[in-house]
Amino acid sequence: DIVLTQSPGTLSLSPGERASLSCRASQSVGSRYLGWYQQKPGQAPRLLIYAASSRAAGIPDRFSGSGSGTDFTLTISRLEPEDFAVYYCHHYGSSYTFGQGTKLEIK
Amino acid sequence: EVQLVQSGAEVKKPGESLKISCKGSGYSFTSYWIGWVRQMPGKGLECMGFIYPGDSETMYSPSFQGQVTISADKSISTAYLQWNSLKASDTAMYYCVRGRDLDYWGQGTLVTVSS
Repeated sequence: DIVLTQSPGTLSLSPGERASLSCRASQSVGSRYLGWYQQKPGQAPRLLIYAASSRAAGIPDRFSGSGSGTDFTLTISRLEPEDFAVYYCHHYGSSYTFGQGTKLEIK
Repeated sequence: EVQLVQSGAEVKKPGESLKISCKGSGYSFTSYWIGWVRQMPGKGLECMGFIYPGDSETMYSPSFQGQVTISADKSISTAYLQWNSLKASDTAMYYCVRGRDLDYWGQGTLVTVSS
């Protein structure tokens, strides 16, 4: 099975700063079947990015995704207070695997 | 508007059976996979499996094969997740999701298994 490893485990930043979250796959997953999700405490996750770089409906353009093969990045260009949450990457091709998550916390 | 509405929280004893539900609306229920995702307390997300309501094809993640049953009744646009014999380790929040890219999520069903 494909293993997704997210880094860092915790990222401490201030509002207005730029965030880069990494997701590395144990083998190539192409670029079509990688998604990013945001989960706030007490809420269901929501889809931010699908197919590695396409923003889901209603997602602000400060969120962007990039990468292919084994290395993927979620970038938040300018952090807003509501962006502090846990972020997961997910592969939905040959297997259905989540990364362990990156907690984005306020510094 | 696409919505997935799940059944309410459950408290069960070990060994009991349980079936939770997820009703889809606002889209063609038979045209999208419906999946289930587990989140144990304080932990990350795990895909359990999917069903395609159009033809009832199912796929399970290896960790959940044989542990749960996913089904759907397309006449009422509802998917189900079922256990025959619950364990304490089944205590978790369970989310239903639409599509293999998980583009819409239900609100979650909290299942607590305790003696």
